[in-house]
Amino acid sequence: GAGVSQSPSNKVTEKGKDVELRCDPISGHTALYWYRQSLGQGLEFLIYFQGNSAPDKSGLPSDRFSAERTGGSVSTLTIQRTQQEDSAVYLCASRDGTSPGELFFGEGSRLTVL
Amino acid sequence: AQSVTQLGSHVSVSEGALVLLRCNYSSSVPPYLFWYVQYPNQGLQLLLKYTTGATLVKGINGFEAEFKKSETSFHLTKPSAHMSDAAEYFCAVRSYSSASKIIFGSGTRLSIRP
Repeated sequence: GAGVSQSPSNKVTEKGKDVELRCDPISGHTALYWYRQSLGQGLEFLIYFQGNSAPDKSGLPSDRFSAERTGGSVSTLTIQRTQQEDSAVYLCASRDGTSPGELFFGEGSRLTVL
Repeated sequence: AQSVTQLGSHVSVSEGALVLLRCNYSSSVPPYLFWYVQYPNQGLQLLLKYTTGATLVKGINGFEAEFKKSETSFHLTKPSAHMSDAAEYFCAVRSYSSASKIIFGSGTRLSIRP
């Protein structure tokens, strides 16, 4: 498909475990974003990648959260030592770097920490 | 620093009535402004955007928004609500910088009464 693909769509884990969430953006999109959507909390910015520039990590809530983007394409968001408050839907979006800004969102990865 | 404030986490209107969803932004430089919509059990999609030029922008499904620099606002309106408009609406801001993150508001859930 041509859209943003995220996996897994659902992840249930135990408190203290590490999880990895994957995002495959639209081919050719140089900008990639991760957001967290908690119930009633809107979209919380986590991290932003633009081409080969250093990522903007200003939204990561703690050092348990990290993300990387390999080869300017696929991105992985890693949460270490998960806590119950990490339960949320994690959304990935990509954008054509030349455009003013339409984001194309994936369906999200729903994380539940027991 | 950029920020977005959406007044009213939940708005309810009657079918056929005017829809008004409020958004105020804070940006140190001229912004790009967006409204995204999330229908139940679907991903986010762009409703409309303001980049430059005409301050009144039209989007899909009869929605429009007006950029008012003096009021730092970008309110979303639709003259006559339809049942299918029930969804979560998010306002977002991005600065003109080519390498800048997009910040979302906390969202407004729109309900339509028959």
